[in-house]
Amino acid sequence: KAGVTQTPRYLIKTRGQQVTLSCSPISGHRSVSWYQQTPGQGLQFLFEYFSETQRNKGNFPGRFSGRQFSNSRSEMNVSTLELGDSALYLCASSLQGLAGGNTGELFFGEGSRLTVL
Amino acid sequence: GEDVEQSLFLSVREGDSSVINCTYTDSSSTYLYWYKQEPGAGLQLLTYIFSNMDMKQDQRLTVLLNKKDKHLSLRIADTQTGDSAIYFCAETPYGGSQGNLIFGKGTKLSVKP
Repeated sequence: KAGVTQTPRYLIKTRGQQVTLSCSPISGHRSVSWYQQTPGQGLQFLFEYFSETQRNKGNFPGRFSGRQFSNSRSEMNVSTLELGDSALYLCASSLQGLAGGNTGELFFGEGSRLTVL
Repeated sequence: GEDVEQSLFLSVREGDSSVINCTYTDSSSTYLYWYKQEPGAGLQLLTYIFSNMDMKQDQRLTVLLNKKDKHLSLRIADTQTGDSAIYFCAETPYGGSQGNLIFGKGTKLSVKP
């Protein structure tokens, strides 16, 4: 069974540009979450999508957006990039939540490392 | 607000036991998790504990939960150099769904041969 796949793995952008990151969840997983990881702030929750609907959103500005497609693949977009957006962006997939006896395990991809110059 | 706190660094010798501690704030958390991150990789779930349990053992890993003090610990027996990584404690926040976990900043475990 293939794991969570994120593309691209590395990218460099300049301030003011925008970026789109992609995440393919494990087959059968309907929930996709995005996290930003930085040395100073650690892992911070961006948003979660389930069946194409945003189920939860973290405390990030509106420049950060996402969507989920009918095949559960997800994309996140950051517009008007700032230096502080440089981070590792991690995507995680899971079955469908804590209902039905699920233990809540998140399966993470290896991340997309964004550098903003 | 919700917060998960961990010490940032731990150094042990190969063969010793490692104990990584974590405090959390949300007493309504259903599950508490330990994730491991190796260099250049994403996070991998090590183990979890349901909130109505006090202890869980899984091979070399022992998780202890003190709900009264909101304290969680991870003990790694017979620590090996391959255990060197960053370990994250995480909780499910009040009203949050499974995909929205609150993570600590991680404890970097260094294992000296």
